[in-house]
Amino acid sequence: EIVMTQSPATLSVSPGERATLSCRASQTISTNLAWYQQKPGQAPRLLIYGISIRATDIPARFSGSGSGTEFTLTIDSLQSEDFALYSCQQYNKGPPWTFGQGTKVEFK
Amino acid sequence: EVQLVESGGGLVQPGRSLRLSCATSGFTFGDYAMHWVRQAPGKGLEWVSSINWNSANIDYADSVKGRFSISRDNAKSSLHLQMNSLRTEDTALYYCAKDFSGWPSESFYYFDFWGQGTLVTVSS
Repeated sequence: EIVMTQSPATLSVSPGERATLSCRASQTISTNLAWYQQKPGQAPRLLIYGISIRATDIPARFSGSGSGTEFTLTIDSLQSEDFALYSCQQYNKGPPWTFGQGTKVEFK
Repeated sequence: EVQLVESGGGLVQPGRSLRLSCATSGFTFGDYAMHWVRQAPGKGLEWVSSINWNSANIDYADSVKGRFSISRDNAKSSLHLQMNSLRTEDTALYYCAKDFSGWPSESFYYFDFWGQGTLVTVSS
């Protein structure tokens, strides 16, 4: 099983600032990495797939990068609606298809 | 507009059964693999089970294998999860999710649309 580890667990950011979230895989996962956003009471939302491809209607301030086992989600100029839980997921090898434990982006 | 609406959650005693359903609309359900993903309180997302478009390919997480059964009704655009021998550790919000890729492509195993979830609580 591929283990996904996210850091930090919580990130305190002020509106307008940049947020940088990390995700590490326990083995190489090629380009098969996705990021999701979760808000309480709402359906999770696909943000990024293929490491860096934004899903439909995702604003350009969200970007993904990385390779091999180390990946990053960057949110430029954080907006109020961006405060949420963010999870990475590998779909390179499975089952199981595994997620990180999440990074909560909170208001500083 | 793609919509996925889960139902069937509730409070159940350990050892009992529960059947979750996911009603879908806004896309050609029969063309897509579908998945169940859960999230225990304070924990990360956990993939539970997948079923491909024609039910020929089904997978389960080891934690639920032999106890849970996924099925689909393409005529009714619905997905189901039969959960037997429930344990306290099955307590979670259960999400129905649509695979990114549709027929004739194979499943991609990442999820472009999700429901809001249905809460399952297993407790005596």
